[in-house]
Amino acid sequence: AQKVTQAQTEISVVEKEDVTLDCVYETRDTTYYLFWYKQPPSGELVFLIRRNSFDEQNEISGRYSWNFQKSTSSFNFTITASQVVDSAVYFCALSALGSNDYKLSFGAGTTVTVRA
Amino acid sequence: DGGITQSPKYLFRKEGQNVTLSCEQNLNHDAMYWYRQDPGQGLRLIYYSQIVNDFQKGDIAEGYSVSREKKESFPLTVTSAQKNPTAFYLCASSNRGSSYEQYFGPGTRLTVT
Repeated sequence: AQKVTQAQTEISVVEKEDVTLDCVYETRDTTYYLFWYKQPPSGELVFLIRRNSFDEQNEISGRYSWNFQKSTSSFNFTITASQVVDSAVYFCALSALGSNDYKLSFGAGTTVTVRA
Repeated sequence: DGGITQSPKYLFRKEGQNVTLSCEQNLNHDAMYWYRQDPGQGLRLIYYSQIVNDFQKGDIAEGYSVSREKKESFPLTVTSAQKNPTAFYLCASSNRGSSYEQYFGPGTRLTVT
Protein backbone atom coordinates (compact mmCIF):
# COMPACT_ATOMS: atom_id res chain seq x y z
CA ALA A 1 0.00 0.00 0.00
CA GLN A 2 1.17 3.51 -0.62
CA LYS A 3 0.22 6.69 1.11
CA VAL A 4 0.96 10.39 0.85
CA THR A 5 0.53 12.76 3.77
CA GLN A 6 0.37 16.52 3.50
CA ALA A 7 -0.02 17.58 7.09
CA GLN A 8 -0.49 21.26 6.34
CA THR A 9 -4.08 21.96 5.38
CA GLU A 10 -3.72 25.69 4.79
CA ILE A 11 -0.86 28.16 4.69
CA SER A 12 -1.28 31.91 4.47
CA VAL A 13 1.63 34.24 3.73
CA VAL A 14 2.24 37.79 2.69
CA GLU A 15 3.63 38.39 -0.77
CA LYS A 16 7.41 37.93 -1.04
CA GLU A 17 7.57 35.53 1.88
CA ASP A 18 8.91 32.04 1.30
CA VAL A 19 6.59 29.10 1.85
CA THR A 20 7.47 25.43 2.25
CA LEU A 21 4.96 22.65 1.70
CA ASP A 22 5.61 19.34 3.38
CA CYS A 23 5.01 15.95 1.80
CA VAL A 24 5.68 12.61 3.49
CA TYR A 25 5.14 9.36 1.66
CA GLU A 26 4.96 5.65 2.40
CA THR A 27 5.66 2.80 0.01
CA ARG A 28 7.25 -0.61 0.16
CA ASP A 29 8.55 -0.35 -3.38
CA THR A 30 12.16 0.60 -3.99
CA THR A 31 11.33 2.20 -7.32
CA TYR A 32 8.76 4.93 -7.18
CA TYR A 33 7.99 8.37 -8.53
CA LEU A 34 6.94 11.51 -6.75
CA PHE A 35 5.00 14.39 -8.25
CA TRP A 36 3.78 17.84 -7.35
CA TYR A 37 0.72 19.40 -8.92
CA LYS A 38 -0.79 22.87 -8.61
CA GLN A 39 -4.54 23.44 -8.69
CA PRO A 40 -5.39 27.13 -9.20
CA PRO A 41 -8.92 28.41 -8.58
CA SER A 42 -9.87 27.46 -12.14
CA GLY A 43 -9.72 23.83 -11.06
CA GLU A 44 -7.38 22.23 -13.56
CA LEU A 45 -4.38 20.43 -12.07
CA VAL A 46 -1.06 21.57 -13.47
CA PHE A 47 1.94 19.25 -13.37
CA LEU A 48 4.98 20.84 -11.71
CA ILE A 49 7.64 18.19 -11.22
CA ARG A 50 8.43 14.47 -11.24
CA ARG A 51 11.23 12.86 -9.25
CA ASN A 52 12.24 9.20 -9.26
CA SER A 53 13.38 7.36 -6.16
CA PHE A 54 16.96 7.01 -7.35
CA ASP A 55 17.53 10.69 -7.87
CA GLU A 56 17.88 12.58 -4.62
CA GLN A 57 19.25 15.74 -6.15
CA ASN A 58 17.35 18.83 -5.21
CA GLU A 59 15.85 20.75 -8.07
CA ILE A 60 15.24 24.41 -8.65
CA SER A 61 12.99 25.91 -11.29
CA GLY A 62 12.70 29.64 -11.05
CA ARG A 63 11.10 30.45 -7.70
CA TYR A 64 10.23 26.79 -7.09
CA SER A 65 12.54 24.29 -5.44
CA TRP A 66 12.13 20.74 -4.26
CA ASN A 67 13.96 18.85 -1.53
CA PHE A 68 13.81 15.05 -1.76
CA GLN A 69 15.10 13.06 1.23
CA LYS A 70 14.68 9.30 1.14
CA SER A 71 15.94 8.98 4.71
CA THR A 72 12.86 10.79 5.98
CA SER A 73 10.53 9.79 3.10
CA SER A 74 9.89 13.42 2.33
CA PHE A 75 9.57 15.47 -0.84
CA ASN A 76 9.10 19.07 0.22
CA PHE A 77 8.31 21.99 -2.04
CA THR A 78 9.40 25.58 -1.47
CA ILE A 79 8.11 28.70 -3.18
CA THR A 80 10.58 31.53 -2.82
CA ALA A 81 9.43 35.15 -2.81
CA SER A 82 5.78 34.15 -3.14
CA GLN A 83 3.41 36.02 -5.40
CA VAL A 84 -0.37 36.34 -5.43
CA VAL A 85 -0.47 34.09 -8.52
CA ASP A 86 0.96 31.29 -6.39
CA SER A 87 -2.32 31.08 -4.50
CA ALA A 88 -3.61 27.58 -5.20
CA VAL A 89 -4.00 24.10 -3.78
CA TYR A 90 -0.84 22.06 -4.11
CA PHE A 91 -0.89 18.27 -4.25
CA CYS A 92 1.89 15.80 -3.71
CA ALA A 93 1.45 12.38 -5.36
CA LEU A 94 3.20 9.02 -5.49
CA SER A 95 3.33 6.25 -8.08
CA ALA A 96 5.11 2.98 -7.42
CA LEU A 97 6.58 0.69 -10.06
CA GLY A 98 5.54 -2.43 -8.20
CA SER A 99 1.90 -1.53 -8.17
CA ASN A 100 1.61 -2.59 -11.83
CA ASP A 101 -1.37 -0.40 -12.43
CA TYR A 102 0.16 3.05 -12.75
CA LYS A 103 -2.10 4.61 -10.17
CA LEU A 104 -1.25 7.88 -8.51
CA SER A 105 -1.85 8.25 -4.79
CA PHE A 106 -2.55 11.86 -3.90
CA GLY A 107 -2.15 13.67 -0.65
CA ALA A 108 -5.05 15.74 0.64
CA GLY A 109 -3.51 18.94 -0.64
CA THR A 110 -2.27 22.17 0.95
CA THR A 111 -4.10 25.40 0.23
CA VAL A 112 -1.69 28.31 -0.15
CA THR A 113 -3.00 31.84 0.08
CA VAL A 114 -0.63 34.66 -0.78
CA ARG A 115 -1.86 38.07 0.35
CA ALA A 116 -0.75 41.25 -1.37
CA ASP B 1 -3.17 22.52 -29.34
CA GLY B 2 -2.72 19.19 -27.58
CA GLY B 3 -4.66 18.67 -24.43
CA ILE B 4 -7.64 17.22 -22.61
CA THR B 5 -11.14 18.57 -22.95
CA GLN B 6 -14.00 17.95 -20.60
CA SER B 7 -17.50 19.10 -21.25
CA PRO B 8 -19.55 20.68 -19.96
CA LYS B 9 -17.82 22.80 -17.30
CA TYR B 10 -20.96 22.85 -15.16
CA LEU B 11 -23.71 20.24 -15.14
CA PHE B 12 -26.96 20.16 -13.24
CA ARG B 13 -29.16 17.11 -12.89
CA LYS B 14 -32.13 15.93 -10.92
CA GLU B 15 -31.73 13.09 -8.49
CA GLY B 16 -32.42 9.71 -10.06
CA GLN B 17 -31.08 10.62 -13.50
CA ASN B 18 -27.98 9.13 -15.06
CA VAL B 19 -25.53 11.63 -16.49
CA THR B 20 -22.51 11.17 -18.74
CA LEU B 21 -19.39 13.32 -18.48
CA SER B 22 -17.25 13.68 -21.55
CA CYS B 23 -13.45 13.43 -21.68
CA GLU B 24 -11.42 13.66 -24.87
CA GLN B 25 -7.64 13.82 -25.32
CA ASN B 26 -5.45 14.40 -28.35
CA LEU B 27 -2.14 13.70 -26.63
CA ASN B 28 -1.96 10.15 -28.03
CA HIS B 29 -1.89 8.79 -24.48
CA ASP B 30 -2.77 5.16 -23.85
CA ALA B 31 -3.91 5.60 -20.25
CA MET B 32 -6.87 7.65 -19.04
CA TYR B 33 -8.29 8.25 -15.58
CA TRP B 34 -11.31 9.66 -13.79
CA TYR B 35 -11.04 11.30 -10.39
CA ARG B 36 -13.54 12.78 -8.02
CA GLN B 37 -12.73 15.76 -5.82
CA ASP B 38 -14.92 16.91 -2.95
CA PRO B 39 -14.51 20.30 -1.26
CA GLY B 40 -11.35 20.51 0.77
CA GLN B 41 -10.29 17.01 -0.15
CA GLY B 42 -7.77 15.36 -2.38
CA LEU B 43 -8.43 13.37 -5.52
CA ARG B 44 -9.96 9.92 -5.39
CA LEU B 45 -9.67 7.54 -8.33
CA ILE B 46 -12.94 6.30 -9.81
CA TYR B 47 -11.89 4.32 -12.88
CA TYR B 48 -8.85 4.06 -15.09
CA SER B 49 -8.01 2.57 -18.44
CA GLN B 50 -4.56 1.62 -19.66
CA ILE B 51 -5.62 0.63 -23.16
CA VAL B 52 -8.63 0.70 -25.45
CA ASN B 53 -11.44 -1.71 -24.55
CA ASP B 54 -10.01 -2.28 -21.08
CA PHE B 55 -10.60 -0.48 -17.80
CA GLN B 56 -10.29 -1.12 -14.07
CA LYS B 57 -12.12 0.07 -10.99
CA GLY B 58 -10.40 2.59 -8.82
CA ASP B 59 -11.00 3.25 -5.15
CA ILE B 60 -14.56 4.54 -5.42
CA ALA B 61 -16.12 2.90 -8.50
CA GLU B 62 -19.54 2.14 -7.00
CA GLY B 63 -22.30 4.05 -8.78
CA TYR B 64 -20.13 4.89 -11.79
CA SER B 65 -19.52 3.27 -15.16
CA VAL B 66 -17.09 3.94 -18.02
CA SER B 67 -16.29 2.82 -21.54
CA ARG B 68 -13.12 3.02 -23.61
CA GLU B 69 -14.05 2.35 -27.21
CA LYS B 70 -11.58 4.85 -28.64
CA LYS B 71 -8.11 5.85 -27.53
CA GLU B 72 -9.10 9.49 -27.43
CA SER B 73 -12.27 9.15 -25.39
CA PHE B 74 -13.11 7.95 -21.87
CA PRO B 75 -16.66 8.97 -20.89
CA LEU B 76 -17.87 8.57 -17.32
CA THR B 77 -21.50 7.86 -16.45
CA VAL B 78 -22.71 8.81 -13.02
CA THR B 79 -25.65 6.53 -12.34
CA SER B 80 -28.59 6.99 -10.03
CA ALA B 81 -26.95 4.42 -7.75
CA GLN B 82 -24.25 6.89 -6.77
CA LYS B 83 -25.40 8.17 -3.39
CA ASN B 84 -23.55 11.48 -3.35
CA PRO B 85 -22.87 12.46 -6.96
CA THR B 86 -22.40 16.19 -6.42
CA ALA B 87 -18.66 16.79 -6.85
CA PHE B 88 -15.92 18.07 -9.12
CA TYR B 89 -14.85 15.46 -11.66
CA LEU B 90 -11.42 15.50 -13.25
CA CYS B 91 -10.24 13.46 -16.20
CA ALA B 92 -6.55 12.78 -16.84
CA SER B 93 -4.37 10.97 -19.31
CA SER B 94 -0.79 9.76 -19.46
CA ASN B 95 1.59 7.47 -21.23
CA ARG B 96 1.50 3.95 -19.84
CA GLY B 97 3.84 3.37 -16.92
CA SER B 98 4.15 4.59 -13.36
CA SER B 99 6.93 7.01 -14.20
CA TYR B 100 4.78 9.23 -16.35
CA GLU B 101 2.98 12.29 -15.11
CA GLN B 102 -0.72 12.61 -15.69
CA TYR B 103 -2.18 15.57 -17.53
CA PHE B 104 -5.54 16.84 -16.40
CA GLY B 105 -8.54 18.36 -18.06
CA PRO B 106 -10.35 21.47 -16.76
CA GLY B 107 -12.91 19.39 -14.86
CA THR B 108 -16.71 19.19 -14.74
CA ARG B 109 -18.61 20.41 -11.70
CA LEU B 110 -21.70 18.23 -11.29
CA THR B 111 -24.57 19.30 -9.08
CA VAL B 112 -27.41 16.90 -8.40
CA THR B 113 -30.51 18.15 -6.61
